[in-house]
Amino acid sequence: GAVVSQHPSRVICKSGTSVKIECRSLDFQATTMFWYRQFPKKSLMLMATSNEGSKATYEQGVEKDKFLINHASLTLSTLTVTSAHPEDSSFYICSAAPGTSQTQYFGPGTRLLVL
Amino acid sequence: ELKVEQNPLFLSMQEGKNYTIYCNYSTTSDRLYWYRQDPGKSLESLFVLLSNGAVKQEGRLMASLDTKARLSTLHITAAVHDLSATYFCAVDGGTSYGKLTFGQGTILTVHP
Repeated sequence: GAVVSQHPSRVICKSGTSVKIECRSLDFQATTMFWYRQFPKKSLMLMATSNEGSKATYEQGVEKDKFLINHASLTLSTLTVTSAHPEDSSFYICSAAPGTSQTQYFGPGTRLLVL
Repeated sequence: ELKVEQNPLFLSMQEGKNYTIYCNYSTTSDRLYWYRQDPGKSLESLFVLLSNGAVKQEGRLMASLDTKARLSTLHITAAVHDLSATYFCAVDGGTSYGKLTFGQGTILTVHP
């Protein structure tokens, strides 16, 4: 099946710093990728839709200036958490679907801890 | 706003028993997905259901979709310990393909 990778898998940072998370589709091209957030023992919440070559579409309640998304190529989307605070600590997961596939493939996730 | 509700949220089963997890959703959709998540891990795709009446089976798991009732079921047959995980259903109900709304998840624990 299609493979989606994320880097880093785990990051610890100080409050006020920015963190960049990469999401790559390894064996397919993806014009659209999705970023989700998951709190411990909770479900996944869609944060934004990342569109290659254009601006991301954010879900209601998600601050676009805080969660910067860049989809510069057909295989890479990045999520930057700017001026991170402890409440941004979470599990961030990206997903993508190859071509006309109906199946979304999820990355392994990035666990962010802000101290 | 699309809402997706699963029940039960917690399920403790004995090995060898059968059970069903239910997934109800609030608006019309014919694309429903089931995922498995192990602790600390990401999501593993189990089933993709794309039409009314769709039924898919893999090993001890079988999923079905009734779009008229807006209901999907995940049936577990003769549970084994390895099935212990959290199971999510997700509905693709947006105007843009791929935007998934997830259920709350069902934490399944299978005991010997």
